[in-house]
Amino acid sequence: DGGITQSPKYLFRKEGQNVTLSCEQNLNHDAMYWYRQDPGQGLRLIYYSQIVNDFQKGDIAEGYSVSREKKESFPLTVTSAQKNPTAFYLCASSILAPVNTDTQYFGPGTRLTVL
Amino acid sequence: SQQGEEDPQALSIQEGENATMNCSYKTSINNLQWYRQNSGRGLVHLILIRSNEREKHSGRLRVTLDTSKKSSSLLITASRAADTASYFCATDINNQGGKLIFGQGTELSVKP
Repeated sequence: DGGITQSPKYLFRKEGQNVTLSCEQNLNHDAMYWYRQDPGQGLRLIYYSQIVNDFQKGDIAEGYSVSREKKESFPLTVTSAQKNPTAFYLCASSILAPVNTDTQYFGPGTRLTVL
Repeated sequence: SQQGEEDPQALSIQEGENATMNCSYKTSINNLQWYRQNSGRGLVHLILIRSNEREKHSGRLRVTLDTSKKSSSLLITASRAADTASYFCATDINNQGGKLIFGQGTELSVKP
């Protein structure tokens, strides 16, 4: 099966702890993205990567870190510096098609709760 | 403020009725896309309309784009209870390397 997977589905964290959310894709997509979604809100971009070993900050990168050591994997670490980390986190990937045609494929999400 | 703003924020209709959702944006775009999200799930891509297109159809979905007004609408015809979900527009902005900016979404409830 081709697709994009995220784990775990639910994650609980104590204040002051770092946690890492996993995102893996076997679609051979070049680009990967991390979004945060708060209740009743749209998606806000945290980080994105268009190529291995390179990534860019999105609109709300503070308190988060990422790595892109392999094309298939784009893990997100939520650090203790993120003051309000409780949210639904969505990973996506895209092929980086020619201009005007690129769409994103989303994973099922990880719901992070800080206790 | 958000690049994409949608209205209404919530819409409740009966099965068989049509549902129309609107999206407005602020800057020039390469394309505009609509996504669907079932509660607690990831987003699923529905349809993409390019900046040089005015209307597009896919099954029961009809999307229009008016670049002069910087607005788009998504029409779902003959709605079904299974269409109950949140619908988001997303804009692919010129010179932003494939990044999408999402609106706040419209929460659609279709009652059987």
